Amino acid sequence: DAGVIQSPRHEVTEMGQEVTLRCKPISGHDYLFWYRQTMMRGLELLIYFNNNVPIDDSGMPEDRFSAKMPNASFSTLKIQPSEPRDSAVYFCASSPTGGIRAAFFGQGTRLTVV
Amino acid sequence: GESVGLHLPTLSVQEGDNSIINCAYSNSASDYFIWYKQESGKGPQFIIDIRSNMDKRQGQRVTVLLNKTVKHLSLQIAATQPGDSAVYFCAENAGNMLTFGGGTRLMVKP
Repeated sequence: DAGVIQSPRHEVTEMGQEVTLRCKPISGHDYLFWYRQTMMRGLELLIYFNNNVPIDDSGMPEDRFSAKMPNASFSTLKIQPSEPRDSAVYFCASSPTGGIRAAFFGQGTRLTVV
Repeated sequence: GESVGLHLPTLSVQEGDNSIINCAYSNSASDYFIWYKQESGKGPQFIIDIRSNMDKRQGQRVTVLLNKTVKHLSLQIAATQPGDSAVYFCAENAGNMLTFGGGTRLMVKP
């Protein structure tokens, strides 16, 4: 298995632009998580899905952030409009139901908003 | 002005020595715990997990100890190698949500 795949690996954008981050979870995993990592706040859970349905989005910072999971093999995290304080590394992770419940992470997308 | 970031505790060990990384968790309802390793520029990598009905679990060169009485988790790495240098996170799982600790940086001296 290729693991969780995220794209792009790096994104530099200007303030006010729309940014879309993409994630392909591990096949067969029915949980998908979006995390943000910064030096200030560490790893924060933004939102998670179960069977493509958003379960908890209480970590999403504000309405500028939205996430979708149109099918079991694809999810997006969108920021519109982006701001410099959104600069961070965004991780997608997936996990299966039962058994090992650990989340397996992608390599992350480093977002820089200038 | 310059922003202040998380100050990661650092553990510095000699190559070949054993390392012990500690973690305090907060939620007494957490029933599953995981240790992750994160190398620079990479995502957190699963190392080992333990369920709350256990107090010890061993893997290859790693052992996790769980003390539910004091809500404490530790990761022991035997014969630490330069490739073990990374930031280590503990995570607790209550329900289906993982909550991460702040992390400890392990530096291995050759």
